Amino acid sequence: AQSVAQPEDQVNVAEGNPLTVKCTYSVSGNPYLFWYVQYPNRGLQFLLKYITGDNLVKGSYGFEAEFNKSQTSFHLKKPSALVSDSALYFCAVRDPHGGGFKTIFGAGTRLFVKA
Amino acid sequence: DAGVIQSPRHEVTEMGQEVTLRCKPISGHDYLFWYRQTMMRGLELLIYFNNNVPIDDSGMPEDRFSAKMPNASFSTLKIQPSEPRDSAVYFCASSLALGGANTGELFFGEGSRLTVL
Repeated sequence: AQSVAQPEDQVNVAEGNPLTVKCTYSVSGNPYLFWYVQYPNRGLQFLLKYITGDNLVKGSYGFEAEFNKSQTSFHLKKPSALVSDSALYFCAVRDPHGGGFKTIFGAGTRLFVKA
Repeated sequence: DAGVIQSPRHEVTEMGQEVTLRCKPISGHDYLFWYRQTMMRGLELLIYFNNNVPIDDSGMPEDRFSAKMPNASFSTLKIQPSEPRDSAVYFCASSLALGGANTGELFFGEGSRLTVL
């Protein structure tokens, strides 16, 4: 069965500093990996995905993520954080070979960016 | 495109009442998902459909919950009878099938916040 873990409930970072939000996953095959962001009282919005190819993927709003197969990780990063990046971030995984189209989400990490 | 549309946005009801949540997916999307979000349990997948057919309902908590998709543009999630522990935000999401440039990211609605007193 597929699963995803976000080890940090909250990440605090100062504006202008780099940020990292951690994610590890468990699937039986090659995973499809996603990051979503949720602002207060809103639905989730897609940020970026890893399917295959280059381990570093770039997405919306200057975010990027690095796929590491040996560590089964897919950490979200941004070189310079903005106050407006403060939100709830979800990592998600799909096992296209064993799990069909089922997408499983992590518990979420709340990012606070301080001015 | 208007995106995924959910109604109602807020629902307050009393224990024992029937609740019906509605979803209109993005036109042309092949998959529809219902998720529930709570502080304690995070985002839980309840059920998903492919071409209007339920594929996996293993996340539906119990028989009080049912979901239907009578056509490609409409789905309902019904709770009967409702209980206070059903209080949550219920999200509908839709997606294209895999293939070509489509890798199946989900497009979420704004959610329906349910409070059962």
